[in-house]
Amino acid sequence: AQSVTQLDSQVPVFEEAPVELRCNYSSSVSVYLFWYVQYPNQGLQLLLKYLSGSTLVKGINGFEAEFNKSQTSFHLRKPSVHISDTAEYFCAVSLDSSYKLIFGSGTRLLVRP
Amino acid sequence: DSGVTQTPKHLITATGQRVTLRCSPRSGDLSVYWYQQSLDQGLQFLIQYYNGEERAKGNILERFSAQQFPDLHSELNLSSLELGDSALYFCASSVWGTSTDTQYFGPGTRLTVL
Repeated sequence: AQSVTQLDSQVPVFEEAPVELRCNYSSSVSVYLFWYVQYPNQGLQLLLKYLSGSTLVKGINGFEAEFNKSQTSFHLRKPSVHISDTAEYFCAVSLDSSYKLIFGSGTRLLVRP
Repeated sequence: DSGVTQTPKHLITATGQRVTLRCSPRSGDLSVYWYQQSLDQGLQFLIQYYNGEERAKGNILERFSAQQFPDLHSELNLSSLELGDSALYFCASSVWGTSTDTQYFGPGTRLTVL
């Protein structure tokens, strides 16, 4: 069965520091990969997605992610975070044979001044 | 604002009751998804509709049912409610409902079962 693992439940970081949020997936077939952000009391918003092609994907708000097939990872990075980046971040996968998104457990990014 | 609307925003009810959650997709989107977000289960896919027809089913309980109407809005019906059904219920929509589609999420309905 397919699954998504976000090892870090919370990542504290100081403002203007770089950050990496880790995501690993398990699947025996090709997957499509997504990162969503959830701000407090709001729905989820797409940050970026990988479908095919270049393994480095750029998204909104200065975020990027790199697909690594050999390590089955899709880590999210930002070179310099802002207070406003404080939110919950979810990694998700979908499969050709399935229309649903399978979500990881989420990582809470806490940006401190 | 994703363009997906959900009503009501909050719902408080008692065990054994039945409730209906409503979702209006973005203009032009044909597919609607329902997800449940709870502290112990995380974000779980419940069900997907495409242009009025059920397309995929996830971990949806038999006490729960959904439908998508001709105007493409969708309703999720939860019956014989239990304490464990307390959660945030999200609706999402996408254009074609395919694996590569971006799903746009509504703000959610927070259900509290007392």
